[in-house]
Amino acid sequence: SQQGEEDPQALSIQEGENATMNCSYKTSINNLQWYRQNSGRGLVHLILIRSNEREKHSGRLRVTLDTSKKSSSLLITASRAADTASYFCATDGNMLTFGGGTRLMVKP
Amino acid sequence: GAGVSQSPSNKVTEKGKDVELRCDPISGHTALYWYRQSLGQGLEFLIYFQGNSAPDKSGLPSDRFSAERTGGSVSTLTIQRTQQEDSAVYLCASSFGGVNQETQYFGPGTRLLVL
Repeated sequence: SQQGEEDPQALSIQEGENATMNCSYKTSINNLQWYRQNSGRGLVHLILIRSNEREKHSGRLRVTLDTSKKSSSLLITASRAADTASYFCATDGNMLTFGGGTRLMVKP
Repeated sequence: GAGVSQSPSNKVTEKGKDVELRCDPISGHTALYWYRQSLGQGLEFLIYFQGNSAPDKSGLPSDRFSAERTGGSVSTLTIQRTQQEDSAVYLCASSFGGVNQETQYFGPGTRLLVL
């Protein structure tokens, strides 16, 4: 079953701009993870944020988690054309459950 | 080090035929997962193996789907009597343990097309 739901479904920006994607989920979690999927490729793990964390940084990525609103956001700063991909959020459990993803296009 | 590998990368088959998809997890990872991703859709969980425990088959869509994991390592997903709606990318992932808070590492997937 799908639990994470990303928003927006598609996002198109110019290189250098920031991209913000949101994820909402329904039940309690221990952690939330963001993944990137380039066209025709497997999923790549980006960042994991635990339920007791509110914000986490990794390079140009910033993830926030609001457990009261059951939502998370992924911010990519100073976007590059290579950031063009689909981004998924996933919540924990013995298996991860994924939303439908946000398709990000960064135009050079 | 080597990541999760899957084979074949692409498979075209005719409706009604059986297919086998293979997954080689990262060495030492005890948990292995199979997912399916239809075009433009999110990931759909299929089956989960953890060590020697009985697999969690709750995501398998029908009894035409089965999976094995031999020796706690390589896994094979078998689809019998394939249907056109089975066309999708089949992704395998492994993690060090099956407990919460473990990152899953995904393979490149097998793209299955049923004609």
